[in-house]
Amino acid sequence: EAEVAQSPRYKITEKSQAVAFWCDPISGHATLYWYRQILGQGPELLVQFQDESVVDDSQLPKDRFSAERLKGVDSTLKIQPAELGDSAMYLCASSLQWGDSYEQYFGPGTRLTVT
Amino acid sequence: DAKTTQPTSMDCAEGRAANLPCNHSTISGNEYVYWYRQIHSQGPQYIIHGLKNNETNEMASLIITEDRKSSTLILPHATLRDTAVYYCIVRTSGTYKYIFGTGTRLKVLA
Repeated sequence: EAEVAQSPRYKITEKSQAVAFWCDPISGHATLYWYRQILGQGPELLVQFQDESVVDDSQLPKDRFSAERLKGVDSTLKIQPAELGDSAMYLCASSLQWGDSYEQYFGPGTRLTVT
Repeated sequence: DAKTTQPTSMDCAEGRAANLPCNHSTISGNEYVYWYRQIHSQGPQYIIHGLKNNETNEMASLIITEDRKSSTLILPHATLRDTAVYYCIVRTSGTYKYIFGTGTRLKVLA
């Protein structure tokens, strides 16, 4: 069964350092999402791509976070500089298309710890 | 954006049906109800979704009330592996975003 791949699975970094996460969606999926999940809470959408275009990045802290999906396939989420409050699980998801009835499939996540 | 209300936690005996309720009284006519679950330290897993009619798949059944203001996810024969946090989500029309709440923590007891 096809899966969303993410790397690394775990990342420890010091505050003020740069960190990057990578996501490879299910083959053929046009829509890609990045979420942040703080311990004890549900995931929160950061950014949504349709192919290589950003559809929604209203919740992305743009002063320090950036996301790209240059060829409309895999994607990178970057934080620079990292802050202590960025410690969380970062989840990537993909769906076949952007629309009402297309379910999202999530990857295993990257757990970030900022020290 | 339509919000959902779920109980914080529930217990269910192994082998029995688990019925997880969700209230979504502000849902609009074209907004879908989605259910996901998240087992500890893993990504959320899709379970089922529906608009108006009841739905069933190999994992669960989704019962949506006629006025669409509430729904129930049914796991027909719960196993220990069904222990997880279950999220009920109303997908916003237009932007198709998921707004996750804090979900229901289901514990299946041996």
